[in-house]
Amino acid sequence: QVQLVQSGAEVKKSGASVKVSCKASEFIFTGFYIHWVRQAPGQGLEWMGWINSNSGGRDYAQKFQGRVTLTRDTPIRTVYMELTRLTSDDTAVYYCASGGPLYSDAPNYWYFDIWGRGTLVSVSS
Amino acid sequence: QSILTQPPSVSGAPGQRVTISCTGSSSNIGAGYDVHWYQQLPGQAPKLLIHGNTIRPSGVPDRFSGSKSGTSASLAITGLQAEDEADYYCQSYDNSLSALWVFGGGTKLTVL
Repeated sequence: QVQLVQSGAEVKKSGASVKVSCKASEFIFTGFYIHWVRQAPGQGLEWMGWINSNSGGRDYAQKFQGRVTLTRDTPIRTVYMELTRLTSDDTAVYYCASGGPLYSDAPNYWYFDIWGRGTLVSVSS
Repeated sequence: QSILTQPPSVSGAPGQRVTISCTGSSSNIGAGYDVHWYQQLPGQAPKLLIHGNTIRPSGVPDRFSGSKSGTSASLAITGLQAEDEADYYCQSYDNSLSALWVFGGGTKLTVL
């Protein structure tokens, strides 16, 4: 089954870090870039970054540079998103989503076709 | 402030037609990049509705259609149904340095 399965909700204190996992089906993990998108309560969608699960290459939105790290564990087909120095503004649902085939060199055409169910990260002071 | 601009809300009665606009700039839609649309039902993850400006994935009813012109795009929904009540987001690629993939702020569709 083509799917992305995310880890459960997290509650963190300001200043802490959080690491969210996203386990991909083989079809997705071996064929597509995996992105992370977040959604604050009552707000819109915000792209954070992508990882190439084959090469480990990655890129991040400027807003999150220095605070977010995407990694992968190939044997278990799992991608991780770690966000550090959390503040209350980071309270959001974090989604992983597949977008763009690994052979593609035209990212301007990419869209997000398979989404995880989301992981709620709550940050309190 | 989202890079792509959508109306916060639209509404329509069952059976009617509604459109949702998505306005960008020369660094995204106006640069010729594709626009994609997502539907987000309450409490659920977004679902791909339209990709490549006009293409409906398998399983998406043909009541949903997309178009693009210049620096804007539109999503049209005909024969409005109660289950269409959701949030809708447009998305495109942006060649500025801040973010590569950008979304609209979302439009809440209310079926009256």
